[in-house]
Amino acid sequence: QQQVKQSPQSLIVQKGGISIINCAYENTAFDYFPWYQQFPGKGPALLIAIRPDVSEKKEGRFTISFNKSAKQFSLHIMDSQPGDSATYFCAATPGEASKIIFGSGTRLSIRP
Amino acid sequence: EAGVTQSPTHLIKTRGQQATLRCSPISGHTSVYWYQQALGLGLQFLLWYDEGEERNRGNFPPRFSGRQFPNYSSELNVNALELEDSALYLCASSLEVGTGANVLTFGAGSRLTVL
Repeated sequence: QQQVKQSPQSLIVQKGGISIINCAYENTAFDYFPWYQQFPGKGPALLIAIRPDVSEKKEGRFTISFNKSAKQFSLHIMDSQPGDSATYFCAATPGEASKIIFGSGTRLSIRP
Repeated sequence: EAGVTQSPTHLIKTRGQQATLRCSPISGHTSVYWYQQALGLGLQFLLWYDEGEERNRGNFPPRFSGRQFPNYSSELNVNALELEDSALYLCASSLEVGTGANVLTFGAGSRLTVL
């Protein structure tokens, strides 16, 4: 019940395409859903986050879609660029940072 | 503003030895978290320190331990190293506890290799 299931494990997208990463959760106590981006040799960095009271949040080319009834949320990267190649982690927390649960990660590669 | 800093960047040890990793949080952050990231795998929660106290612990054996100093910096100690301890150890810090919008800021990590 504490898991956050993330898919796919790896993803290859052509430059200019749309990258989509999906996550699902079970615990209805989760109320904050951040996405982290990690480049090789670096630590993860917060990319975008959403609360369950909205169905979508957009920041530039990055959009989170949230389906509360299905307990699913996804990251969409529009006009994907080679610089977007990184590992992406979805996460969920009921409030306390120490209770953040991370997904298993998606390795995204954007082909030029 | 300086981010979360970790040292050393790389560390090579042999089985049975002890490793000590250090972390300095963002100025003003009182909470420090340690995560283990094995190659190709996700982020496994190790330890959480706040105001000098261990607040929570992940599913790791007691040979993983640490402490937080009065200046909020922290160190992670791994005793009796095993080959499977080889991983990237990430430190993160945060300012607010239990607000529901708690953002973790990660350091670049310390790569531990056990031979």
